[in-house]
Amino acid sequence: DQQVKQNSPSLSVQEGRISILNCDYTNSMFDYFLWYKKYPAEGPTFLISISSIKDKNEDGRFTVFLNKSAKHLSLHIVPSQPGDSAVYFCAASPSNFGNEKLTFGTGTRLTIIP
Amino acid sequence: DTGVSQNPRHKITKRGQNVTFRCDPISEHNRLYWYRQTLGQGPEFLTYFQNEAQLEKSRLLSDRFSAERPKGSFSTLEIQRTEQGDSAMYLCASSLRASGNTIYFGEGSWLTVV
Repeated sequence: DQQVKQNSPSLSVQEGRISILNCDYTNSMFDYFLWYKKYPAEGPTFLISISSIKDKNEDGRFTVFLNKSAKHLSLHIVPSQPGDSAVYFCAASPSNFGNEKLTFGTGTRLTIIP
Repeated sequence: DTGVSQNPRHKITKRGQNVTFRCDPISEHNRLYWYRQTLGQGPEFLTYFQNEAQLEKSRLLSDRFSAERPKGSFSTLEIQRTEQGDSAMYLCASSLRASGNTIYFGEGSWLTVV
């Protein structure tokens, strides 16, 4: 049972445009959400997170939006750059301060076209 | 470099052999995690430690798997009598509980069982 779903396995975006990566979750106990970026043969790198008490968090070119009623979050990257080409994982945790076990989605491969 | 360090980075072993991976977390991080990632999937939680105490183990962690963190610093993950299905990337991560749920991953240890 996939509790965190990333339904788009891949996404191609022109350099300079906006990249939007989507993630849906089913477990109502999830309270904290994170996005990780992963290059081949490397471990995931933390990008940005959001707590369920917020609906938006911004860090430079990265913005995460959370729609708790729809159990949906998205990561916006603007403007997209060639170095953003990687696999992006959405992850969720049941607690903001405590059990930090993460449940990951299956990832979306983002390709930025120069 | 003060990130999470894992070794060996790559290991090829014959079926039935034992393998051990080591993880050195970010210093002062008291939580340490092991995840496993197979092709096309997101990382899956295996186990985690707070200091030297192993607080949770996933049902994915069969009897052939054992993890230790004897002095609350580095950790080892041993797989006994390896099977081809154990082939995966084994990821270690660490966090400082007080900082919330940001978990920082190492570069992973690739295991290939032939």
